[in-house]
Amino acid sequence: GDSVTQMEGPVTLSEEAFLTINCTYTATGYPSLFWYVQYPGEGLQLLLKATKADDKGSNKGFEATYRKETTSFHLEKGSVQVSDSAVYFCAQGGSEKLVFGKGTKLTVNP
Amino acid sequence: GAGVSQSPSNKVTEKGKDVELRCDPISGHTALYWYRQSLGQGLEFLIYFQGNSAPDKSGLPSDRFSAERTGGSVSTLTIQRTQQEDSAVYLCASSLDNEQFFGPGTRLTVL
Repeated sequence: GDSVTQMEGPVTLSEEAFLTINCTYTATGYPSLFWYVQYPGEGLQLLLKATKADDKGSNKGFEATYRKETTSFHLEKGSVQVSDSAVYFCAQGGSEKLVFGKGTKLTVNP
Repeated sequence: GAGVSQSPSNKVTEKGKDVELRCDPISGHTALYWYRQSLGQGLEFLIYFQGNSAPDKSGLPSDRFSAERTGGSVSTLTIQRTQQEDSAVYLCASSLDNEQFFGPGTRLTVL
């Protein structure tokens, strides 16, 4: 069945460090891909998305590129801030349902 | 505009009792979803409503779980004879296309 695998956390970085959170998926078709973020005490928010191969989603300095050949959608940010501390979820799907990875907790220290 | 709202925000119940969780989707959104977020299982899909079509119930974990969506808007998730393993945060989402907007969730604790 469809699934999403993302790197296990937790991840701890210093401010201004480079961030990569790996995400791969298995799917029978060509799903849309998403990164959601959950800040402490808050609900899930869409961070970025890509709907077809080679699309790049970007928001708040975060980027991810839909790679069909490697079935991946890795999240990157060039310089993290303390305010980026949150749990990040990779997801695949479309209009019917989302399949989520288990989440990666990121802590950014000043 | 208003986002997805859920009530109650917290619910504590005793094992064996029934509970009802409510979701108010964003006005005009035709699709509504329920998910469950628990420490052991992560985020799991439960059920999906789209317009007047029959719901996709493939994610419901047992026949103790059911959901309704009245008038194409508000939805209620009902858990009968709650068990301790039902303790989780229940999330509702709605969408107009393929972007889902999530509510703040209901934290259910079964004692």
